[in-house]
Amino acid sequence: GENVEQHPSTLSVQEGDSAVIKCTYSDSASNYFPWYKQELGKRPQLIIDIRSNVGEKKDQRIAVTLNKTAKHFSLHITETQPEDSAVYFCAASIKGWQGGKLIFGQGTELSVKP
Amino acid sequence: EAGVAQSPRYKIIEKRQSVAFWCNPISGHATLYWYQQILGQGPKLLIQFQNNGVVDDSQLPKDRFSAERLKGVDSTLKIQPAKLEDSAVYLCASSSVRRDQKDEQYFGPGTRLTVT
Repeated sequence: GENVEQHPSTLSVQEGDSAVIKCTYSDSASNYFPWYKQELGKRPQLIIDIRSNVGEKKDQRIAVTLNKTAKHFSLHITETQPEDSAVYFCAASIKGWQGGKLIFGQGTELSVKP
Repeated sequence: EAGVAQSPRYKIIEKRQSVAFWCNPISGHATLYWYQQILGQGPKLLIQFQNNGVVDDSQLPKDRFSAERLKGVDSTLKIQPAKLEDSAVYLCASSSVRRDQKDEQYFGPGTRLTVT
């Protein structure tokens, strides 16, 4: 079945630096790749997503890139701030007209030090 | 618009007892998902509904877990009997069937279950 690997599991950066989280997926039919941010004890919040027909998407300080050939995608956060500290999950969606189930990575705990 | 609602937020039970969780999706969202999130891991899909029909329950431990969405709106997830390894956060999510929105899933606050 579909599998999503996420690295690193923990990431510590200084405020203002950039952070990069990488994911690989196994099913070449996957066509939707969201990223969720989850603060301690809170629900996962969708922060950005990308579909397989584009290679890059940007929203202010957050960007996501997708390499379909290599089956990997990455989250880039620039000018990190302490409030960016959270666990970030990547996910891949199995293709399906009814809205596919999400297969999640294991998560990356990002710590931004002031 | 109101988000996905879940109750209870916390539940502590002893092993072999039963428990039920409730979810009300975002108004108009036809697709509803139940995920299990074990501490330190990503959410794992248990079951997906489209209106009141099951789309995918391949990861649902059917000997002890059951779920229903009788009227195609709110849903309940039940565990009977519970095991220690069922301790987790149970997340409900919903998504629209609109062609331009059908991939985006919105999560509820979750129910944290502790089995002792």
